[in-house]
Amino acid sequence: ETGVTQTPRHLVMGMTNKKSLKCEQHLGHNAMYWYKQSAKKPLELMFVYNFKEQTENNSVPSRFSPECPNSSHLFLHLHTLQPEDSALYLCASSQGTENTGELFFGEGSRLTVL
Amino acid sequence: GQNIDQPTEMTATEGAIVQINCTYQTSGFNGLFWYQQHAGEAPTFLSYNVLDGLEEKGRFSSFLSRSKGYSYLLLKELQMKDSASYLCAVLDSNYQLIWGAGTKLIIKP
Repeated sequence: ETGVTQTPRHLVMGMTNKKSLKCEQHLGHNAMYWYKQSAKKPLELMFVYNFKEQTENNSVPSRFSPECPNSSHLFLHLHTLQPEDSALYLCASSQGTENTGELFFGEGSRLTVL
Repeated sequence: GQNIDQPTEMTATEGAIVQINCTYQTSGFNGLFWYQQHAGEAPTFLSYNVLDGLEEKGRFSSFLSRSKGYSYLLLKELQMKDSASYLCAVLDSNYQLIWGAGTKLIIKP
């Protein structure tokens, strides 16, 4: 069982829907991340939170809205998505405020936008 | 720009040895990482190299040459469960992880 849990594992939504992805880490880590993983492409960093404060936003479209209520929980709110947003969304956590490169990932939420 | 190159797919035979290469051009260097990702599962940390040379961990070894911008992951005595994608990533001077697109390794009996 991974220390990072993501729900839902699979999500299908229309372009006008609003949905949210949830991530919870049980490792006592200080930093949490959202990544987008598309087939045959490198992982794309979307957002980083350190101690609940957003420290990174990699020019992500506003239709993706993150929320970090505490160091253990991270959400990604989705609205008016496009078909090209279909991908695997991975949550990760790490110890410390400086990225050491050792990340603990969840199993991901597979998103399909119709 | 920053770039990580690794083969898209490789095939090997159970019991054999396979070497997965990774070359990188990044803004600074604070370490190179290999992650393993089975289909439908989370990527998991395999190895970390920051100094030149070979790091061995059981059946898996990782090599780094900073002067050549090159690393490889060596898997020995391949098992069917080693079928997975292997992701190479470099921590740059800003402590940002730069990722390769991953190498899908197929193990045949």
